[in-house]
Amino acid sequence: DSGVTQTPKHLITATGQRVTLRCSPRSGDLSVYWYQQSLDQGLQFLIQYYNGEERAKGNILERFSAQQFPDLHSELNLSSLELGDSALYFCASSVTGTGRETQYFGPGTRLLVL
Amino acid sequence: GENVEQHPSTLSVQEGDSAVIKCTYSDSASNYFPWYKQELGKRPQLIIDIRSNVGEKKDQRIAVTLNKTAKHFSLHITETQPEDSAVYFCAASNNAGNMLTFGGGTRLMVKP
Repeated sequence: DSGVTQTPKHLITATGQRVTLRCSPRSGDLSVYWYQQSLDQGLQFLIQYYNGEERAKGNILERFSAQQFPDLHSELNLSSLELGDSALYFCASSVTGTGRETQYFGPGTRLLVL
Repeated sequence: GENVEQHPSTLSVQEGDSAVIKCTYSDSASNYFPWYKQELGKRPQLIIDIRSNVGEKKDQRIAVTLNKTAKHFSLHITETQPEDSAVYFCAASNNAGNMLTFGGGTRLMVKP
């Protein structure tokens, strides 16, 4: 157990819908990262937050957004869902979010868009 | 941006043999290289990492080597066991940001 928690574990929804994925970092970690894992794209970085502020952005679609709250948990919002958004979404956390720092992954949320 | 390539995509070995997985990276500013093991449907778990100020690091049966000049790094697993069967991912990041760029993964199968 990494100490990073994610809810829900599974999510099934329809195209066009909107969902929210939630992540709580390890105790003491200030930085949260979101990654998407799909069969054809592998593990891809989406976005990073540090202490409530966006720090880095990767290949995140405009339909997707995220935020980190004062209690440091983070939410990833996916809207206007498409079939291709079906994937495993992982959250990871680290202490300060600076370079060369170990990231610990949560158990993931498996999203299936029908 | 950074690009990480990983080879081979699949690797099958007999129990007790060694396994080697290789990765190359493109950004010379990258200075942190973790390796993650992922079992089916589970989260990636860090197994070893190396920072650019060292060339090799060992942890029991696992070792990682780094060649900064050639921009490649490798994972070595000795005395493989069936429980080593999983998908292994290499990754790279740099001081400008801690985002990880992952390789495509290697499915390792250890046959008893």
